[in-house]
Amino acid sequence: GAGVSQTPSNKVTEKGKYVELRCDPISGHTALYWYRQSLGQGPEFLIYFQGTGAADDSGLPNDRFFAVRPEGSVSTLKIQRTERGDSAVYLCASSSGGGADTQYFGPGTRLTVL
Amino acid sequence: ILNVEQSPQSLHVQEGDSTNFTCSFPSSNFYALHWYRWETAKSPEALFVMTLNGDEKKKGRISATLNTKEGYSYLYIKGSQPEDSATYLCAFKSGTSYGKLTFGQGTILTVHP
Repeated sequence: GAGVSQTPSNKVTEKGKYVELRCDPISGHTALYWYRQSLGQGPEFLIYFQGTGAADDSGLPNDRFFAVRPEGSVSTLKIQRTERGDSAVYLCASSSGGGADTQYFGPGTRLTVL
Repeated sequence: ILNVEQSPQSLHVQEGDSTNFTCSFPSSNFYALHWYRWETAKSPEALFVMTLNGDEKKKGRISATLNTKEGYSYLYIKGSQPEDSATYLCAFKSGTSYGKLTFGQGTILTVHP
């Protein structure tokens, strides 16, 4: 079946601009996660949704970052007033529940802030 | 702050060699340990989810072991092939972290023909 998809695959923007990154999880998966990976590091947790609500947003670095999942399926990560330090690969994952369930990842969106 | 460390950072081996790498994680409040393989320009691929001390899992030529009391896991690849070239990531889930995975920085494996 279809895996997790993310759009766009690449996004180049200028410092100070607003960007939206989209994630389509595996159909029927109630849990959705956002991570970001900076060069030379492992993925870093940003936020976890269970259904429509954010169960854990402790990884969002500051109030410029916001994520929504209004209907419990597609999620959008929104970054305001982008900074060069926001450049990274943003990964989305979904799972059928919580616990020790496997998280299935999308291919990521590579964000470059000039 | 949870500390998940992987070693080595990178590894070059010849085709046919067997190899292994290490993931160390906090030994307290353990819930699960995940292994992923991430090839360039692709999605990270789930290899194993391990939950019990002493667990051993196998998928083809790849296997993994888990020691939760001392806080480490080993990933083994037998008879490496060029297509095994990838970054191998481990990720720790604690008992209080809901869905959050804490990743190590990865081991970059290059298998030379």
